Amino acid sequence: DAGVTQSPTHLIKTRGQQVTLRCSPKSGHDTVSWYQQALGQGPQFIFQYYEEEERQRGNFPDRFSGHQFPNYSSELNVNALLLGDSALYLCASSFISRGSNTGELFFGEGSRLTVL
Amino acid sequence: SQQGEEDPQALSIQEGENATMNCSYKTSINNLQWYRQNSGRGLVHLILIRSNEREKHSGRLRVTLDTSKKSSSLLITASRAADTASYFCATDAQGSWGKLQFGAGTQVVVTP
Repeated sequence: DAGVTQSPTHLIKTRGQQVTLRCSPKSGHDTVSWYQQALGQGPQFIFQYYEEEERQRGNFPDRFSGHQFPNYSSELNVNALLLGDSALYLCASSFISRGSNTGELFFGEGSRLTVL
Repeated sequence: SQQGEEDPQALSIQEGENATMNCSYKTSINNLQWYRQNSGRGLVHLILIRSNEREKHSGRLRVTLDTSKKSSSLLITASRAADTASYFCATDAQGSWGKLQFGAGTQVVVTP
């Protein structure tokens, strides 16, 4: 049973460029969340996708956008990259029933983005 | 901003010793979770404790939750070198439905 897979694992971009990161959730999961983790910090919630819609959003600018596909996989797009966007981007999947509390999240290994 | 704050920021112990780390949070929660992260890799879920629970065990892990003090502790007994990692608490605030807020973590080093 494949867990959460993310691609690419590492990438280098320059300021002003755009990047797309991809995530396939664990089998049976329908919800994907994205987190940004700067060096030495804890993960920061970016947004969550369920039923192909953004359901929750953290304190991130509109340069950060996402998408969820019918097969539950997801993309994170970041436009107009800044040096401060350099971080480990983590995708987490879960199965959340409507009205229930958050349970365990399954994380991928992350995509490490370096902006020069 | 981060909901949880772990204490201490770093902890160095020898194999066989116990490791204790604490987490404080600010708002009312549905549950609190602890995760482990090995050197810049993905996070691994360790244990979840619900707001109406006070203590929970899983193998060598013991978690306590005091909602009146808005704090939790994670105890790892009989530490092994393989326990070397960063440990994060994460809270699921009431009404957030699926948004976990993580602390900055405790970096634990276990030496043989």
